[in-house]
Amino acid sequence: AIRMTQSPSSFSASTGDRVTITCRASQGISSYLAWYQQKPGKAPKLLIYAASTLQSGVPSRFSGSGSGTDFTLTISCLQSEDFATYYCQQYYSPSWTFGQGTKVEVK
Amino acid sequence: EVQLVESGGGLVQPGESLRLSCAASGFTFSSYSLTWVRQAPGKGLEWVSYISSSSNTINNADSVKGRFTISRDNAKNSLYLQMDSLRADDTAVYYCARVVSSASQVADYWGLGALVTVSS
Repeated sequence: AIRMTQSPSSFSASTGDRVTITCRASQGISSYLAWYQQKPGKAPKLLIYAASTLQSGVPSRFSGSGSGTDFTLTISCLQSEDFATYYCQQYYSPSWTFGQGTKVEVK
Repeated sequence: EVQLVESGGGLVQPGESLRLSCAASGFTFSSYSLTWVRQAPGKGLEWVSYISSSSNTINNADSVKGRFTISRDNAKNSLYLQMDSLRADDTAVYYCARVVSSASQVADYWGLGALVTVSS
């Protein structure tokens, strides 16, 4: 199975900060990578797919990049509603796998 | 508006069975693949099972192979997950989700989830 490793697992940030989350695949997955946001008690929300394509309705402060094994999710100017946990997901393999999650907390 | 509503969760003992349902509305159900994803309490997301629009392709996570069966009824706009031989580590919130397309195998709409608790 393809293993997805996110870093960091959690960190604190302030509104207005530029934040970057990294996701590394255990083998090359081309650009078959998605990012989701999840808030406590809620279902995940799709943010980005194909590594860098913004899902409809997602604010442009979110962006994704990378291919192969290394990927990043960037939030250009953190807003209060962005404090949440973020997951990457590979779909290169029919057996999807998610990263362990990165929790963005209020500093 | 796309809606997915899970039902059938509850408390069961180890070794017992449970069937989850997911009622869909707001889109052409028969045109989309669907998936189940679970989340154990306080843990991350774990993909469980996938079914294509016509049920021709089914994939399951190794952790549930031989115990869980995904199915769908396109006439009833419903997705199912039959869970047999349940174990304590199957305790989780189970989400059904719509898959964007065969080319983009990501989940764009999710239900609210159904809690399954396996405990004696």
